[in-house]
Amino acid sequence: AQSVTQLGSHVSVSEGALVLLRCNYSSSVPPYLFWYVQYPNQGLQLLLKYTSAATLVKGINGFEAEFKKSETSFHLTKPSAHMSDAAEYFCAVRPVTGGGADGLTFGKGTHLIIQP
Amino acid sequence: DAMVIQNPRYQVTQFGKPVTLSCSQTLNHNVMYWYQQKSSQAPKLLFHYYDKDFNNEADTPDNFQSRRPNTSFCFLDIRSPGLGDAAMYLCATSSRRGAYNEQFFGPGTRLTVL
Repeated sequence: AQSVTQLGSHVSVSEGALVLLRCNYSSSVPPYLFWYVQYPNQGLQLLLKYTSAATLVKGINGFEAEFKKSETSFHLTKPSAHMSDAAEYFCAVRPVTGGGADGLTFGKGTHLIIQP
Repeated sequence: DAMVIQNPRYQVTQFGKPVTLSCSQTLNHNVMYWYQQKSSQAPKLLFHYYDKDFNNEADTPDNFQSRRPNTSFCFLDIRSPGLGDAAMYLCATSSRRGAYNEQFFGPGTRLTVL
C-alpha cells in the first residue's frame, strides 16, 4: 500500500523567505503526486501535480516541486513567501494503475505560518 | 464557471438523527468522491462512484451510505450520526481519462453533532 509522509506539521517562515515543505512517498512504483492547498473552512485547491512528464513541476502562486525518485521525495518550494500563502498544505499520491478512478491518499498536512 | 457545489456549508444534527449532505457538479465528470476530514487531520476517502458503480473503502463504517441518482448529483447519508462523525465532508470529482487527472474539490460541509 502506498503512503505519503509530510515532515513537520507546522512550518514558520518570514515573509519574503524561502518556503520548503517536505513530502516523501512510499510506493514500489512511483505514483502520481499532487500538492493541494487548503485555506480555513474551504475545500482543497490543486497547486501542482507530477505525472512523469518532467521532474520539476511549476504550479500556481509561484510554487514548484521537484520529483526525486532516488529520494522518493516531492518537496514543495516557493522562493519568496507572501502573507497570503498562510494555509494548510497537503501532499497526496495516487496509484499509476487503476485508470484514474482511485481516490487520493493524503499526507497529514503541513500548516504554513508566515511571519511579518 | 464549472464547479463542485456542496450544500449546506454547515450542518448541525443531533446524535442519532439521520442527515444527508449534498454535492453537485457542473464538470460532467464520471467520478465523484466523498472524503471525511476530521479536525487537523488529512482527508480520508470514504467511497467513490465511477458513473453508477459504487466503490466503498474497506474501513468506511456501515453508518455511511451514498447515492448518485445522476451524473451531476451525489449524496452522503449518515444514518445514525455519532459524536465521532463530526467533521468536514469534502466532495470531489475527476474525469477518468488518466490517473494523473486532478480531483476538483467542493468547499466542504462542516458537520456538527450535538
